This record gives sequence, structure tokens and C-alpha cells, in this order.
Amino acid sequence: SAVISQKPSRDICQRGTSLTIQCQVDSQVTMMFWYRQQPGQSLTLIATANQGSEATYESGFVIDKFPISRPNLTFSTLTVSNMSPEDSSIYLCSVWRGNTEAFFGQGTRLTVV
Amino acid sequence: GENVEQHPSTLSVQEGDSAVIKCTYSDSASNYFPWYKQELGKRPQLIIDIRSNVGEKKDQRIAVTLNKTAKHFSLHITETQPEDSAVYFCAASWGQGAQKLVFGQGTRLTINP
Repeated sequence: SAVISQKPSRDICQRGTSLTIQCQVDSQVTMMFWYRQQPGQSLTLIATANQGSEATYESGFVIDKFPISRPNLTFSTLTVSNMSPEDSSIYLCSVWRGNTEAFFGQGTRLTVV
Repeated sequence: GENVEQHPSTLSVQEGDSAVIKCTYSDSASNYFPWYKQELGKRPQLIIDIRSNVGEKKDQRIAVTLNKTAKHFSLHITETQPEDSAVYFCAASWGQGAQKLVFGQGTRLTINP
């Protein structure tokens, strides 16, 4: 299985501030995916991050709110900007191993107060 | 875009009985259908998957069936055990290699001893 290290594992943030979440993978991957899981809900894709190009955002998610960096083939960051209580969720990064199976990081549990 | 509907949202079964969770998808181009198990506070873990060239796949007590014509697929768990209690998510994807996953709403399965 892919080893995905995601941090922080949890954080409590003040509204109006920003949080950057890091995702480190143990091998090179072309695409990294960022999902959001709102409390008690399913997973929704925020964006797909390719190395060397701008991330592709899903409907309802914008770059100004969720800027993503992908500086190399093993690392990505997702920033949640100008946070409000509605941003309280679990954020998960995901990669595919061998193009056959998707794995998830342990998630970042964000609470905005 | 793809839409995945999952039923039921909650399911309670007696230990030893079988559990069935059903999903329907909208995009006939979808060709990969994984099932994830998420225990409380943990990341989603792949338990079984099926591709569109196969009608059924089994792994010990877990099986998945796919009906491409009707665009639905189901998870079957036999001889349920207390450790099967979790939230289960179906998902759909399309194309070759790493692609985004569209998730169903999730089913909270409770196994009663």
C-alpha cells in the first residue's frame, strides 16, 4: 500500500485565518487528489493536483479559497483560506498506487471557531 | 457529470446475518467501482473493487456484483461480525489509471451481537 503522510492531523483555527495542509507520499505519483469530508457526510473531490501545472478544481471549489501547490512528484499542499465555521471538515489527500487502487492519507480534522 | 446514489443510509443486522448495500451510477462511461470502509476517526480503506469487464468478485466474506445494463453495483457481506460495524462508501471512476472518484452518500452499518 502507498504510504501517505498528512499533517497536521487536526487543528482548531480562528475564523478569517488560513491553514495549510501537507501531504507527503513515499513514491512519485503524477496526480494527487484532495477531498473534503464534511461532518457525517461523504467525500467530495476539491481538486486534482498535477506536478508542474495548475490544479484542476471541481465545481463549487475555487483557487482563491483552496490554493494548491505541487512542487514535486511526492508532495502537495492544500490551503484553506479565510476560514469560516462552514469549512470545518476532514480534508484528505489521495493517490493511486500502480494506477489500480486509490489510497488516502489519515486526514486533517479542521475545526473553525 | 457522474452521480452515485447509495442505499440504505443506515443498516442494522444481527451478527452472523448478511448485509447488502446498493449503489447506482449515472455515467455509463464509468468502469471502476471500489468500496471503502471507514471506521470512526480513521481514513477510508479499500475493501474490494470491481471493474466493468467483470460481473462479480469475491474476497472471503465480501463480494461485489455489477450490473452494467442497469448501472448498479452492490456490496454483500456474509456472516457479519462486530468488527464489520463501520461506514461503507461506494464510488465510481472512469478512464485508465489514476482518476477522481465520485462517492456515494455512505451507509452506516451496525452489527448487533
